[in-house]
Amino acid sequence: DAKTTQPPSMDCAEGRAANLPCNHSTISGNEYVYWYRQIHSQGPQYIIHGLKNNETNEMASLIITEDRKSSTLILPHATLRDTAVYYCIVRPNMNYGGSQGNLIFGKGTKLSVKP
Amino acid sequence: AAGVIQSPRHLIKEKRETATLKCYPIPRHDTVYWYQQGPGQDPQFLISFYEKMQSDKGSIPDRFSAQQFSDYHSELNMSSLELGDSALYFCASGLKGQGRYEQYFGPGTRLTVT
Repeated sequence: DAKTTQPPSMDCAEGRAANLPCNHSTISGNEYVYWYRQIHSQGPQYIIHGLKNNETNEMASLIITEDRKSSTLILPHATLRDTAVYYCIVRPNMNYGGSQGNLIFGKGTKLSVKP
Repeated sequence: AAGVIQSPRHLIKEKRETATLKCYPIPRHDTVYWYQQGPGQDPQFLISFYEKMQSDKGSIPDRFSAQQFSDYHSELNMSSLELGDSALYFCASGLKGQGRYEQYFGPGTRLTVT
């Protein structure tokens, strides 16, 4: 599975957009980018995933560069409850073989939303 | 919406004892994953089950075993507990059979070994 690189920490003002970058320069064509977050000691929470097109759901937007070597998770209006560790994870498309689906968590980005 | 249920939420055991953690996946989910998160560490994959069969194995010690039952709930059995087994244990469920690979995590079981 491709490795990811994320900044260890970021701050964001409440109400502003939080843009969390992730580098995955070794990503291969059949690998998806997934984002999860973990609020202190709670179970990780699925946020969004994508292959090459930008994606948006009720929680966030995912922007993937055209070469797919990096992506940005956008929380459009961060709140104090968005303070968490955000994990960017690259996983193979299991429909085309690859691992059985377990997640490999890296160090993630600790996002602190401040009032 | 129903979420993943884990029990117990907290467990205190002594060294060399055994422990059983239970996981009840979201209804109709066919896949269960187990993760271990030590203090200050990131979650580490232990083992997974798809349709009651072991699907993948990660860094699960030989002292640990797990299974998924006919009602899809899963149990993680831990024997000869060591101090280093103190951790949060998360269970997640998913719909691998429908080609959906996002995982939904439970609140975790905090195991303390003294």
